[in-house]
Amino acid sequence: DGGITQSPKYLFRKEGQNVTLSCEQNLNHDAMYWYRQDPGQGLRLIYYSQIVNDFQKGDIAEGYSVSREKKESFPLTVTSAQKNPTAFYLCASSLRSSPRYNEQFFGPGTRLTVL
Amino acid sequence: SQQGEEDPQALSIQEGENATMNCSYKTSINNLQWYRQNSGRGLVHLILIRSNEREKHSGRLRVTLDTSKKSSSLLITASRAADTASYFCATDATSNTGNQFYFGTGTSLTVIP
Repeated sequence: DGGITQSPKYLFRKEGQNVTLSCEQNLNHDAMYWYRQDPGQGLRLIYYSQIVNDFQKGDIAEGYSVSREKKESFPLTVTSAQKNPTAFYLCASSLRSSPRYNEQFFGPGTRLTVL
Repeated sequence: SQQGEEDPQALSIQEGENATMNCSYKTSINNLQWYRQNSGRGLVHLILIRSNEREKHSGRLRVTLDTSKKSSSLLITASRAADTASYFCATDATSNTGNQFYFGTGTSLTVIP
Protein backbone atom coordinates (compact mmCIF):
# COMPACT_ATOMS: atom_id res chain seq x y z
CA ASP A 1 0.00 0.00 0.00
CA GLY A 2 2.04 2.96 -1.28
CA GLY A 3 1.74 6.42 0.13
CA ILE A 4 3.07 9.19 2.29
CA THR A 5 2.48 9.23 6.01
CA GLN A 6 2.88 11.84 8.69
CA SER A 7 2.88 11.41 12.41
CA PRO A 8 1.54 12.37 14.78
CA LYS A 9 -1.79 13.76 13.54
CA TYR A 10 -2.02 16.18 16.48
CA LEU A 11 0.91 17.51 18.46
CA PHE A 12 1.02 19.80 21.45
CA ARG A 13 4.16 21.40 22.75
CA LYS A 14 5.09 23.90 25.37
CA GLU A 15 6.63 27.17 24.38
CA GLY A 16 10.43 26.91 24.16
CA GLN A 17 10.51 23.22 23.25
CA ASN A 18 11.79 21.76 20.02
CA VAL A 19 9.56 19.20 18.33
CA THR A 20 10.10 16.89 15.36
CA LEU A 21 7.41 16.00 12.84
CA SER A 22 7.76 12.76 10.95
CA CYS A 23 7.25 12.25 7.21
CA GLU A 24 7.77 8.91 5.48
CA GLN A 25 7.06 7.84 1.90
CA ASN A 26 7.30 4.47 0.17
CA LEU A 27 6.66 5.80 -3.32
CA ASN A 28 10.36 5.80 -4.24
CA HIS A 29 10.14 9.54 -4.85
CA ASP A 30 13.30 11.60 -5.05
CA ALA A 31 11.86 14.94 -3.98
CA MET A 32 10.19 15.79 -0.67
CA TYR A 33 8.69 19.02 0.64
CA TRP A 34 7.44 20.60 3.86
CA TYR A 35 4.70 23.22 3.85
CA ARG A 36 3.00 25.24 6.51
CA GLN A 37 -0.68 26.15 6.25
CA ASP A 38 -2.35 28.73 8.47
CA PRO A 39 -6.15 29.00 8.81
CA GLY A 40 -7.77 30.18 5.59
CA GLN A 41 -4.41 30.46 3.90
CA GLY A 42 -2.53 28.76 1.13
CA LEU A 43 0.57 26.65 1.61
CA ARG A 44 3.97 28.18 2.21
CA LEU A 45 7.13 26.22 1.50
CA ILE A 46 9.46 25.66 4.45
CA TYR A 47 12.12 23.32 3.06
CA TYR A 48 12.48 20.95 0.15
CA SER A 49 14.88 18.19 -0.81
CA GLN A 50 15.57 16.97 -4.32
CA ILE A 51 17.89 14.14 -3.33
CA VAL A 52 19.25 12.36 -0.27
CA ASN A 53 21.64 14.42 1.85
CA ASP A 54 20.65 17.65 0.15
CA PHE A 55 17.94 20.19 0.93
CA GLN A 56 17.12 23.83 0.25
CA LYS A 57 15.33 26.53 2.18
CA GLY A 58 11.92 27.60 1.05
CA ASP A 59 10.23 30.91 1.70
CA ILE A 60 9.82 30.55 5.47
CA ALA A 61 12.71 28.39 6.69
CA GLU A 62 13.61 30.48 9.75
CA GLY A 63 13.04 28.55 12.97
CA TYR A 64 12.87 25.19 11.21
CA SER A 65 15.42 22.50 10.37
CA VAL A 66 15.31 19.31 8.31
CA SER A 67 17.43 16.30 7.42
CA ARG A 68 17.33 13.87 4.52
CA GLU A 69 19.49 10.91 5.52
CA LYS A 70 17.25 8.39 3.79
CA LYS A 71 15.23 8.64 0.60
CA GLU A 72 12.05 7.62 2.42
CA SER A 73 12.26 10.05 5.30
CA PHE A 74 12.26 13.85 5.63
CA PRO A 75 11.69 14.88 9.26
CA LEU A 76 11.01 18.50 10.16
CA THR A 77 12.12 20.01 13.46
CA VAL A 78 10.28 23.05 14.71
CA THR A 79 12.72 24.83 16.98
CA SER A 80 12.12 27.25 19.81
CA ALA A 81 13.34 29.98 17.46
CA GLN A 82 10.11 29.72 15.45
CA LYS A 83 8.05 32.56 16.86
CA ASN A 84 4.62 31.42 15.79
CA PRO A 85 4.70 27.65 15.27
CA THR A 86 1.02 26.83 15.73
CA ALA A 87 -0.13 25.69 12.28
CA PHE A 88 -1.02 22.74 10.08
CA TYR A 89 2.10 21.14 8.59
CA LEU A 90 1.94 19.21 5.34
CA CYS A 91 4.59 16.97 3.86
CA ALA A 92 4.63 16.10 0.17
CA SER A 93 6.73 14.13 -2.27
CA SER A 94 7.14 14.00 -6.02
CA LEU A 95 8.92 11.58 -8.33
CA ARG A 96 11.41 14.26 -9.31
CA SER A 97 11.58 17.98 -8.80
CA SER A 98 11.68 18.55 -12.54
CA PRO A 99 8.59 20.02 -14.24
CA ARG A 100 7.72 16.82 -16.05
CA TYR A 101 7.46 14.72 -12.90
CA ASN A 102 6.48 17.01 -10.09
CA GLU A 103 2.88 16.15 -9.35
CA GLN A 104 2.94 16.24 -5.58
CA PHE A 105 1.51 13.61 -3.27
CA PHE A 106 0.57 14.89 0.16
CA GLY A 107 0.47 13.30 3.57
CA PRO A 108 -2.53 13.80 5.88
CA GLY A 109 -0.85 16.59 7.83
CA THR A 110 0.17 17.26 11.44
CA ARG A 111 -1.61 19.94 13.42
CA LEU A 112 0.86 21.50 15.85
CA THR A 113 -0.40 23.58 18.75
CA VAL A 114 1.92 25.47 21.06
CA LEU A 115 0.51 25.88 24.56
CA SER B 1 6.42 36.59 -4.45
CA GLN B 2 5.34 34.15 -7.10
CA GLN B 3 2.39 33.03 -5.02
CA GLY B 4 -0.76 32.71 -7.02
CA GLU B 5 -4.07 34.11 -6.02
CA GLU B 6 -7.39 32.44 -6.54
CA ASP B 7 -10.69 34.16 -6.86
CA PRO B 8 -13.23 34.09 -5.60
CA GLN B 9 -12.04 33.35 -2.06
CA ALA B 10 -15.34 31.59 -1.39
CA LEU B 11 -18.03 30.25 -3.69
CA SER B 12 -21.41 28.76 -2.82
CA ILE B 13 -23.54 27.05 -5.47
CA GLN B 14 -26.45 24.64 -5.78
CA GLU B 15 -25.83 21.02 -6.67
CA GLY B 16 -25.87 20.56 -10.44
CA GLU B 17 -24.55 24.03 -11.19
CA ASN B 18 -21.09 24.68 -12.62
CA ALA B 19 -18.33 26.16 -10.47
CA THR B 20 -15.57 28.32 -11.90
CA MET B 21 -12.45 29.33 -10.02
CA ASN B 22 -9.65 31.52 -11.28
CA CYS B 23 -5.96 31.67 -10.51
CA SER B 24 -3.48 34.41 -11.32
CA TYR B 25 0.27 34.24 -10.93
CA LYS B 26 3.22 36.52 -11.39
CA THR B 27 6.19 34.99 -13.22
CA SER B 28 6.90 32.50 -15.98
CA ILE B 29 5.97 28.93 -15.19
CA ASN B 30 6.74 25.41 -16.37
CA ASN B 31 3.32 24.08 -15.50
CA LEU B 32 0.28 24.84 -13.37
CA GLN B 33 -1.52 22.32 -11.21
CA TRP B 34 -4.83 22.31 -9.37
CA TYR B 35 -5.27 20.58 -6.03
CA ARG B 36 -8.23 19.91 -3.80
CA GLN B 37 -8.21 19.89 0.01
CA ASN B 38 -10.97 18.58 2.21
CA SER B 39 -11.13 20.25 5.60
CA GLY B 40 -8.24 19.22 7.85
CA ARG B 41 -6.74 16.88 5.26
CA GLY B 42 -3.82 16.81 2.88
CA LEU B 43 -4.09 18.02 -0.70
CA VAL B 44 -5.03 15.79 -3.60
CA HIS B 45 -3.76 16.43 -7.10
CA LEU B 46 -6.51 17.04 -9.66
CA ILE B 47 -4.94 18.08 -12.93
CA LEU B 48 -1.74 19.46 -14.44
CA ILE B 49 -1.54 21.75 -17.46
CA ARG B 50 1.77 22.51 -19.09
CA SER B 51 2.82 25.98 -20.14
CA ASN B 52 2.42 25.09 -23.84
CA GLU B 53 -1.14 23.82 -23.37
CA ARG B 54 -4.25 25.98 -23.41
CA GLU B 55 -6.95 23.63 -22.21
CA LYS B 56 -7.22 20.27 -20.55
CA HIS B 57 -10.10 18.05 -19.47
CA SER B 58 -10.39 15.35 -16.86
CA GLY B 59 -13.86 13.99 -16.17
CA ARG B 60 -15.99 16.88 -14.91
CA LEU B 61 -12.95 19.16 -14.68
CA ARG B 62 -11.87 21.61 -17.33
CA VAL B 63 -8.74 23.72 -16.91
CA THR B 64 -7.63 26.58 -19.11
CA LEU B 65 -4.32 28.38 -19.11
CA ASP B 66 -3.55 31.79 -20.59
CA THR B 67 0.16 32.46 -20.19
CA SER B 68 -0.11 35.91 -21.74
CA LYS B 69 -2.46 36.94 -18.92
CA LYS B 70 -0.73 34.70 -16.37
CA SER B 71 -4.02 33.16 -15.39
CA SER B 72 -5.81 29.84 -15.23
CA SER B 73 -9.34 28.74 -14.55
CA LEU B 74 -10.81 25.55 -13.15
CA LEU B 75 -14.35 24.63 -14.14
CA ILE B 76 -16.22 21.89 -12.32
CA THR B 77 -19.34 20.92 -14.23
CA ALA B 78 -22.51 19.43 -12.76
CA SER B 79 -21.27 19.95 -9.22
CA ARG B 80 -22.05 17.53 -6.41
CA ALA B 81 -22.19 17.98 -2.65
CA ALA B 82 -19.02 15.85 -2.47
CA ASP B 83 -17.16 18.56 -4.42
CA THR B 84 -17.30 20.78 -1.33
CA ALA B 85 -13.65 21.52 -0.52
CA SER B 86 -10.93 24.11 -0.95
CA TYR B 87 -9.23 24.30 -4.31
CA PHE B 88 -5.69 25.54 -4.82
CA CYS B 89 -3.64 26.31 -7.87
CA ALA B 90 0.09 25.67 -7.75
CA THR B 91 2.65 27.02 -10.15
CA ASP B 92 5.95 25.42 -10.85
CA ALA B 93 8.82 27.78 -11.55
CA THR B 94 12.53 27.22 -11.94
CA SER B 95 14.74 29.02 -9.45
CA ASN B 96 18.50 29.08 -8.87
CA THR B 97 18.24 26.03 -6.62
CA GLY B 98 15.83 23.99 -8.69
CA ASN B 99 12.09 23.83 -9.10
CA GLN B 100 9.78 25.32 -6.52
CA PHE B 101 6.07 25.11 -6.10
CA TYR B 102 4.02 28.13 -5.21
CA PHE B 103 0.49 27.65 -3.98
CA GLY B 104 -2.30 30.15 -4.20
CA THR B 105 -4.51 31.15 -1.30
CA GLY B 106 -7.36 28.88 -2.36
CA THR B 107 -11.05 29.03 -3.20
CA SER B 108 -13.44 27.52 -0.69
CA LEU B 109 -16.27 25.85 -2.60
CA THR B 110 -19.55 24.88 -0.95
CA VAL B 111 -22.03 22.84 -2.98
CA ILE B 112 -25.49 22.90 -1.45
CA PRO B 113 -27.51 19.69 -1.92
